[in-house]
Amino acid sequence: DAKTTQPTSMDCAEGRAANLPCNHSTISGNEYVYWYRQIHSQGPQYIIHGLKNNETNEMASLIITEDRKSSTLILPHATLRDTAVYYCIVRTNFGNEKLTFGTGTRLTIIP
Amino acid sequence: GAVVSQHPSRVICKSGTSVKIECRSLDFQATTMFWYRQFPKQSLMLMATSNEGSKATYEQGVEKDKFLINHASLTLSTLTVTSAHPEDSSFYICSARTGGVPYEQYFGPGTRLTVT
Repeated sequence: DAKTTQPTSMDCAEGRAANLPCNHSTISGNEYVYWYRQIHSQGPQYIIHGLKNNETNEMASLIITEDRKSSTLILPHATLRDTAVYYCIVRTNFGNEKLTFGTGTRLTIIP
Repeated sequence: GAVVSQHPSRVICKSGTSVKIECRSLDFQATTMFWYRQFPKQSLMLMATSNEGSKATYEQGVEKDKFLINHASLTLSTLTVTSAHPEDSSFYICSARTGGVPYEQYFGPGTRLTVT
């Protein structure tokens, strides 16, 4: 069963904010929301994660709704190098839980 | 973030031969490492989980005798593809997890295996 739902693809103009949505309506109380991205022919890169509160780091911001059933990853000023597949993953931080990838969103930054 | 390396980045081998891929955590100790496989235009599929000093746990459908995993130290895991066939051609990615809670998981750059 897929724990998250993401759009298959999105385009964003260079220099604009890219907003990538993710639905995780069955998320449980002890599950975090993680975002990774994979640039073509590279390994996935960690972006950000959160539990309840909104989070921001040097790469992106993560907005989690109050009911935690959805979230949005925001890349504030997208560049061509942000073109990648973005994966939203929910998981706990306990035990040996595996990181399972869905199909993700293919984000294309348009010059 | 933490750095995970893989070697080689690309390898071409003949059908029937074996290939070893190394995965190293460069600046942290990883008690748990993971091996993924990715076919073109598909997502990453977890193959196995390896814990330092113990046998790897394989996902359903992954042949443990074909994909040998050794996690000899807290910074090194190896994946050996034995008797490789063209259908084993894929992008193999390792990942290492830090200790502590919440733990983090970092990925290597991947190894492109082509079996001719």
